[in-house]
Amino acid sequence: EAGVAQSPRYKIIEKRQSVAFWCNPISGHATLYWYQQILGQGPKLLIQFQNNGVVDDSQLPKDRFSAERLKGVDSTLKIQPAKLEDSAVYLCASSPNSGGSNQPQHFGDGTRLSIL
Amino acid sequence: SQQGEEDPQALSIQEGENATMNCSYKTSINNLQWYRQNSGRGLVHLILIRSNEREKHSGRLRVTLDTSKKSSSLLITASRAADTASYFCATDARTGGYNKLIFGAGTRLAVHP
Repeated sequence: EAGVAQSPRYKIIEKRQSVAFWCNPISGHATLYWYQQILGQGPKLLIQFQNNGVVDDSQLPKDRFSAERLKGVDSTLKIQPAKLEDSAVYLCASSPNSGGSNQPQHFGDGTRLSIL
Repeated sequence: SQQGEEDPQALSIQEGENATMNCSYKTSINNLQWYRQNSGRGLVHLILIRSNEREKHSGRLRVTLDTSKKSSSLLITASRAADTASYFCATDARTGGYNKLIFGAGTRLAVHP
């Protein structure tokens, strides 16, 4: 099966600019996750979708971050305006069925964002 | 927070040696997962162990879970240069009726030929 696809792989922007990331999960996977991974740390969940509904966005900085999952398939994550502290790798993952912690998550290779 | 904490932060060994990484967590869990991340790549799932299990094997990997000590270990036997990667444990946390994974900071493993 094809894996989780993410684009772009790299993005460099200046602070206060906006940026968007795209994710295509594994076909048929109901649950989609966006993680932020700062250098030297583990991934931190930003938002979790079940089909096209938000399950958890408690750690999403909603004043600048937004995400949507149209038709329960692809998803985009947007940052506007970006801050220096947003420099990180943004990982998308998906899992089948109802998600949660009792099944593996499948990760894309991420988008490395650098803020100048 | 139920975040797992890996120990050691970094580990350097020779090919053929065994590598052991430990994970400690703070509160009760339903299950614990281990992932590997090669440089510049996404995470790859290795093993999921449930709270009622004590040990699981997958090829050269052995994971143990001690719920009384709130700890888990990942053993890689007969390591290879290709095992060089960061290894993360992830524990589950209940939030709003759903469980989510909380990842530790990882152990960076370097296997030298």
